[in-house]
Amino acid sequence: EVQLVQSGTEVKKPGESLKISCTGSGYSFVTSWLGWVRLKPGKGLEWMGNMYPGNSDNRYSPSFEGQVTFSSDKATNTAYLQWSSLKASDTAIYYCARLNADFAHYEFDFWGQGTLVTVSS
Amino acid sequence: DTVPTQSPLSLSVTPGEPASISCRSSQSLLHANGYNYLHWYLVKPGQSPQLLIYLGSYRASGVPDRFSGGGSGSDFTLRISRVEAEDVGVYYCMQNLHSPTTFGQGTKLDIK
Repeated sequence: EVQLVQSGTEVKKPGESLKISCTGSGYSFVTSWLGWVRLKPGKGLEWMGNMYPGNSDNRYSPSFEGQVTFSSDKATNTAYLQWSSLKASDTAIYYCARLNADFAHYEFDFWGQGTLVTVSS
Repeated sequence: DTVPTQSPLSLSVTPGEPASISCRSSQSLLHANGYNYLHWYLVKPGQSPQLLIYLGSYRASGVPDRFSGGGSGSDFTLRISRVEAEDVGVYYCMQNLHSPTTFGQGTKLDIK
């Protein structure tokens, strides 16, 4: 069974750094693309980018390029999303999702449970 | 960016009645391989997004057959043949033929 388990709720102050995680199981984590998606309060879903843990190929949305960093640990099947300096506007739920790229497919088919990040002074 | 436009943005439906949501794109989402790179997701209250329809018209595993997707090119529709109480939430279309991947604004469905 494919599962993506994300790290827990975070409460941070503006300017602080943060790294949240997403651990995959039940599929080949290293050879599958993984996406990150943001859901801000009262707003819609926003694609942040995709990453390929096998070779650290990261594709960022222009809206998030330079604002966040994707990384992974192949030994633990874990992907990370990190910020070096949080802003209040980063308050949101962050989801990781597996990108099914078999044959002609190209959809996010399995999602993590989400990590709520609250940034407030 | 190719941002899909959804309509309506909100929908209030009596249980057992049908519902439909439109998703229109400024550019064609039809790949040369014949597949449309348009997918539908539902975010139920307090839950993660779930895949309903992929590649325009293919129902995802475990999705009730009252959900169907249609359309091609730049005009797509999600249909629910008979709305049930458990269908409440926000529905999104997503395109990923053109970079960057983009979602529609979302359509909130509630029950009358």
